[in-house]
Amino acid sequence: DAGVIQSPRHEVTEMGQEVTLRCKPISGHDYLFWYRQTMMRGLELLIYFNNNVPIDDSGMPEDRFSAKMPNASFSTLKIQPSEPRDSAVYFCASSSIYETGERNYEQYFGPGTRLTVT
Amino acid sequence: AQSVTQLGSHVSVSEGALVLLRCNYSSSVPPYLFWYVQYPNQGLQLLLKYTTGATLVKGINGFEAEFKKSETSFHLTKPSAHMSDAAEYFCAVRYTGGGNKLTFGTGTQLKVEL
Repeated sequence: DAGVIQSPRHEVTEMGQEVTLRCKPISGHDYLFWYRQTMMRGLELLIYFNNNVPIDDSGMPEDRFSAKMPNASFSTLKIQPSEPRDSAVYFCASSSIYETGERNYEQYFGPGTRLTVT
Repeated sequence: AQSVTQLGSHVSVSEGALVLLRCNYSSSVPPYLFWYVQYPNQGLQLLLKYTTGATLVKGINGFEAEFKKSETSFHLTKPSAHMSDAAEYFCAVRYTGGGNKLTFGTGTQLKVEL
C-alpha cells in the first residue's frame, strides 16, 4: 500500500483565502484523524472519523475550520477564511482497529501539508 | 484529564552513548502505549508499541521500551546512539474509554553529537 497520501505537500496562501487540504487513507482503514502541529502547541488532534462519520470534533479550533469525509478513501480539511495563525503542518492519519486480528490502535501518518498563511 | 508527560523537551547524547527518553502516563488501568519518531519534514512513524503481554518491547532501529505499571512509565532506550537517531520522539497513549484516540506527549528532540 502507498500509505496515507496528503496533498498538497506545501501550501502558501494569503490571509482571507480558502484553503483545502486533502487526505487519502490507507485502503481498508476505517478511522481517519486530522492533526495540526506547531512549535507552540505541539501536536493537536482536530477531528476524527469512523466509517466516514465524524466522531469527535472537539479539537477543531473554530468555525472557520471544517472537515468532511464523503467516502472511505477521501477526506478534506477546509479553512475559510484563513489567518496567519493557521500556519502549521497538518497531518492526516488512519487506522484499523482490527488490522492484525486483534485490537490495534496504531495510527499511520501521512507526510503532512505545510501551510503558510501570509 | 488524562495526560502523557515526556520529561525533557531536548536531550543531547554523544554518538555511542545510551539513549533514554522518558514517558509517564496518568492512569491506573494499563493502557496501550506507543513511541513514534518524526524525522525532519516527515510524518510520524511507529517505533514500537505495547498492548499486552511482555513488558519489554523491542522496536525498529534498535530501540526498546519497558512498560512499568507501578511507575506508570514507558521509557524508551537504545544502548548506543547513532547520528541517524537524531529526530523528535513522541510517546502516545490510548486510554481505556478514549475511543480510538491517541493522547500524545509534547515530544522530545534528540540530538546526537560526535
